[in-house]
Amino acid sequence: SAVISQKPSRDICQRGTSLTIQCQVDSQVTMMFWYRQQPGQSLTLIATANQGSEATYESGFVIDKFPISRPNLTFSTLTVSNMSPEDSSIYLCSVESAAEAFFGQGTRLTVV
Amino acid sequence: QKEVEQDPGPLSVPEGAIVSLNCTYSNSAFQYFMWYRQYSRKGPELLMYTYSSGNKEDGRFTAQVDKSSKYISLFIRDSQPSDSATYLCAMRKGNTPLVFGKGTRLSVIA
Repeated sequence: SAVISQKPSRDICQRGTSLTIQCQVDSQVTMMFWYRQQPGQSLTLIATANQGSEATYESGFVIDKFPISRPNLTFSTLTVSNMSPEDSSIYLCSVESAAEAFFGQGTRLTVV
Repeated sequence: QKEVEQDPGPLSVPEGAIVSLNCTYSNSAFQYFMWYRQYSRKGPELLMYTYSSGNKEDGRFTAQVDKSSKYISLFIRDSQPSDSATYLCAMRKGNTPLVFGKGTRLSVIA
């Protein structure tokens, strides 16, 4: 298993601003994953972040809206840009070991 | 049809009851099946992990996979108030991204 620290745990932001979420893992991992969990909805994968290359985005998510950095094998950031109330959600980072996924505690974002 | 269907509940049971949580899926290629527990304001925590069909037991928890019916279940015996959480099923084929159900909110009443 892996220990994942994510911050901030929650934030309330004004529309039009940006928020950067940080994710730190206690071991080196090749891939880190960013998910969104909207109220009453499934966890949805936003993108996969590989160290040393561009992130791979899932359908419906674009780099301009959700830029990702992956400067080393234990750290990643996700930025939610030009926020609107529709971006209010829980954002989670995740790593995998074998076929199992492990999650941080999540960032609860409210856009007003 | 969504790839994974899960009744969101809420499900409310008395302490000590046997709880049955279920998911159905449409992709017969799924090989790995997982159950996650998510407490309020926390990230999902892996509970059970099963490869292919069959049963797996861990303490009060039993996971079942029936690939012929495309149906997976999680049973909780002697349920406790501390089991109150949202339970999410998840599955995948190989190294493809996990596909999650919406989660079932469970309340165990003392």
